[in-house]
Amino acid sequence: AQSVTQLGSHVSVSEGALVLLRCNYSSSVPPYLFWYVQYPNQGLQLLLKYTSAATLVKGINGFEAEFKKSETSFHLTKPSAHMSDAAEYFCAVSGGSNYKLTFGKGTLLTVNP
Amino acid sequence: DVKVTQSSRYLVKRTGEKVFLECVQDMDHENMFWYRQDPGLGLRLIYFSYDVKMKEKGDIPEGYSVSREKKERFSLILESASTNQTSMYLCASGSTGAYSTDTQYFGPGTRLTVL
Repeated sequence: AQSVTQLGSHVSVSEGALVLLRCNYSSSVPPYLFWYVQYPNQGLQLLLKYTSAATLVKGINGFEAEFKKSETSFHLTKPSAHMSDAAEYFCAVSGGSNYKLTFGKGTLLTVNP
Repeated sequence: DVKVTQSSRYLVKRTGEKVFLECVQDMDHENMFWYRQDPGLGLRLIYFSYDVKMKEKGDIPEGYSVSREKKERFSLILESASTNQTSMYLCASGSTGAYSTDTQYFGPGTRLTVL
């Protein structure tokens, strides 16, 4: 069984500040981990994914995430927030033979000017 | 680029109506998925299909059925719509190949309101 916990349903940062969105996972098999972003009135777009290669993964728009097996975490970071980063972010885990993704409940990121 | 399209962005239906939501992907993906998205609940899997005419129940299949007659098309059916099915519905597709990393590609979503 797999599960994802996103800590904080709403995170608010100032423009130029560090963005940190937290994700912890549980998986009985070696996981693949994903971060997706959803802009208002749109579908989900892949930001980055971990697939057992490098533990530090770089994605689009300056985001990156680090896989830490000992902490079962996959936190998303960006050094300097931009107004255009305001969106909802979803962490997801998969693993096993059926290619199903299990999503967290999402974190809404607000960027203040 | 992978393209997943959904037949409607917004849909308003009456209680008891039969509702069809259509999804088409253009990447020859084996897997297709239907989710519903509700505030505070994230995405919940309704059904998925791993091949033509094959389907499996997800986490919340009650009140829904699906159809996959062609590889590129996956339909979600609400046999008798109810107000608690008012939600955003997202379709996704993904590959099952040997080097698959389970990435799913999403459509823009259909916001369904049942009155």
